[in-house]
Amino acid sequence: DARVTQTPRHKVTEMGQEVTMRCQPILGHNTVFWYRQTMMQGLELLAYFRNRAPLDDSGMPKDRFSAEMPDATLATLKIQPSEPRDSAVYFCASGLELAVEQFFGPGTRLTVL
Amino acid sequence: GENVEQHPSTLSVQEGDSAVIKCTYSDSASNYFPWYKQELGKRPQLIIDIRSNVGEKKDQRIAVTLNKTAKHFSLHITETQPEDSAVYFCAAMGGTSYGKLTFGQGTILTVHP
Repeated sequence: DARVTQTPRHKVTEMGQEVTMRCQPILGHNTVFWYRQTMMQGLELLAYFRNRAPLDDSGMPKDRFSAEMPDATLATLKIQPSEPRDSAVYFCASGLELAVEQFFGPGTRLTVL
Repeated sequence: GENVEQHPSTLSVQEGDSAVIKCTYSDSASNYFPWYKQELGKRPQLIIDIRSNVGEKKDQRIAVTLNKTAKHFSLHITETQPEDSAVYFCAAMGGTSYGKLTFGQGTILTVHP
């Protein structure tokens, strides 16, 4: 069955390094969401796109995070430079429209040392 | 913006008992309320959702109720089974945050055999 895919599944890096996470939404879905999950903050929305255009990135630290959709089959989330407090699981989700169910990917577990 | 409070944070029941998780939201214009189940190390998966034009929705052993006046909604699981053990998240979307899901902090449900 169709699923959202994310790569890498795990990433360990050192502070100051650049991290790029990738997401392939379900074919035909036109909305893509990036979430961050931590024990302390729970699930937080970082940014989301509709038809590849960014709609809201207010949840994202602008100085180090950036999100893009180079094409309809690829969304990227980049952190540069990474910091230990960025350690979390980053989920991508996709949907058909804004006000309907979102399907989550398996997540990228990021550890910044 | 929207604020979602979820209770309890942990819930322990015996197999066969019922479990109830409650959420309150702050934005009276919110109109979509999904519930997600997340097993350890896995992605959140939608288990049921409700829109603001209905008061209750059932799907086999799970049901969700919505009280728009009081701005709260609840998840009911009957005849619980050990495989129901997971973290459950409520969320709200719509109104001034259209397209943006705001999640509750989660409830760790443990069903003892």
